[in-house]
Amino acid sequence: DAMVIQNPRYQVTQFGKPVTLSCSQTLNHNVMYWYQQKSSQAPKLLFHYYDKDFNNEADTPDNFQSRRPNTSFCFLDIRSPGLGDAAMYLCATGAFLKDTEAFFGQGTRLTVV
Amino acid sequence: AQSVTQLDSHVSVSEGTPVLLRCNYSSSYSPSLFWYVQHPNKGLQLLLKYTSAATLVKGINGFEAEFKKSETSFHLTKPSAHMSDAAEYFCVVKRNYGQNFVFGPGTRLSVLP
Repeated sequence: DAMVIQNPRYQVTQFGKPVTLSCSQTLNHNVMYWYQQKSSQAPKLLFHYYDKDFNNEADTPDNFQSRRPNTSFCFLDIRSPGLGDAAMYLCATGAFLKDTEAFFGQGTRLTVV
Repeated sequence: AQSVTQLDSHVSVSEGTPVLLRCNYSSSYSPSLFWYVQHPNKGLQLLLKYTSAATLVKGINGFEAEFKKSETSFHLTKPSAHMSDAAEYFCVVKRNYGQNFVFGPGTRLSVLP
C-alpha cells in the first residue's frame, strides 16, 4: 500500500546532541510537511516543501532544519535538542491540488534526556 | 486568513449514544474541510472531507459531517458511539489551491461503558 513511513517510531537523544528524523513516501506527492505535536495540543507546522522549494514557518526556531534530497524522502534535523523539543514529530504529504487531503505517517516520539 | 474553532475541548458520551463534535471555520475563500482522528501515540487518520460537492459527507466508521456555509460550521456526528471511537479529533481547513492546512485545537472524545 502507498503510504508515509517515519523512522524511527521512538527516538531518545541527549540534550544538545544533533538528531535526524526521517520520512519517506510512496505516494509521489509533491508537498511534504513536518509538524511538531506536544502533549494534548494540535500539530504545529514547522515547514514544508513544495517540490524542492522550502517554506519555513515564521516562528520555527533556527534549531530545526530540513532536507529533501528527492521526491520520496524528507529529513528533519534538530541541531541542538533542548528539553522543550521533546514531542511527537509528524510527517505528512499532500498534493498541491484543490480538495486533496494530507496523508500522515505514524510519527516519531522524541525524548530528550 | 483562515482559522478553525472547536468549541469543546472534551466531550464525554456513553457507548451507544450519539456523538456531536463541533467545528466552526473562518475562511476568505471557499475552503476544503477535513476531520482527522488521532489515537494515542499514533498519526492522524482521515475520517472524511468536504470538497464543495455534497454538503453532507459520509466518512469511515459511521461518521458524518454537514457543511453549512451560512453558519460556517462543519460538525462531526455519529449515531452510536463505540468504545473504539475514544480518541482526539481535529477539524482542519485547507485553502483551495493552497498548500497549508490549518488545524483546530482538537476535541478529546471519551466513551463511557
